[in-house]
Amino acid sequence: SQQGEEDPQALSIQEGENATMNCSYKTSINNLQWYRQNSGRGLVHLILIRSNEREKHSGRLRVTLDTSKKSSSLLITASRAADTASYFCATVVRSNDYKLSFGAGTTVTVRA
Amino acid sequence: NAGVTQTPKFQVLKTGQSMTLQCAQDMNHEYMSWYRQDPGMGLRLIHYSVGAGITDQGEVPNGYNVSRSTTEDFPLRLLSAAPSQTSVYFCASSDRGPHTGELFFGEGSRLTVL
Repeated sequence: SQQGEEDPQALSIQEGENATMNCSYKTSINNLQWYRQNSGRGLVHLILIRSNEREKHSGRLRVTLDTSKKSSSLLITASRAADTASYFCATVVRSNDYKLSFGAGTTVTVRA
Repeated sequence: NAGVTQTPKFQVLKTGQSMTLQCAQDMNHEYMSWYRQDPGMGLRLIHYSVGAGITDQGEVPNGYNVSRSTTEDFPLRLLSAAPSQTSVYFCASSDRGPHTGELFFGEGSRLTVL
């Protein structure tokens, strides 16, 4: 079974709007990472947040982590057509530092 | 700077055939890994390596072999391909492992087994 699960599975927004997606996981983590995948391409790392951190920012991206609820959220502000992609959360659990486990992803479509 | 390079990009096999997916990185990373991506299931870890001569199993290792004779290369071998191995395969590397930092991904190898 997968460690992380994203919600929603798909999201369609207008250019300029914000996009929020959530990730829930099952066991205690070392860190949580978010990746983006454009159609037909490899994954690109966005942000890494450690278990002792609550919020991180990178440009138009904001990630939060709530370890008590075992959940994380990724917010993309002022979305652009180029943000159209699939977004994945991935976790490193405390019991094994070398396994990064991915969720099924959220597909985001930004309409012009 | 090439990063992580995977070959071939596309491959069609018949059931029972064998093949090797190649992965090379030029970032002197100790950690390398292989994932498969299937629709609706995200990425699943097949095998990983924390350095030359050291490999370990991931979530879905059956039907796949790996070896790590050099820091740069981490080939994935399918000894007897099955239709269930039809998938997109991604190789990824990291300086010391995902517990310390990000993974860098290749562009993927799309495999179809008939």
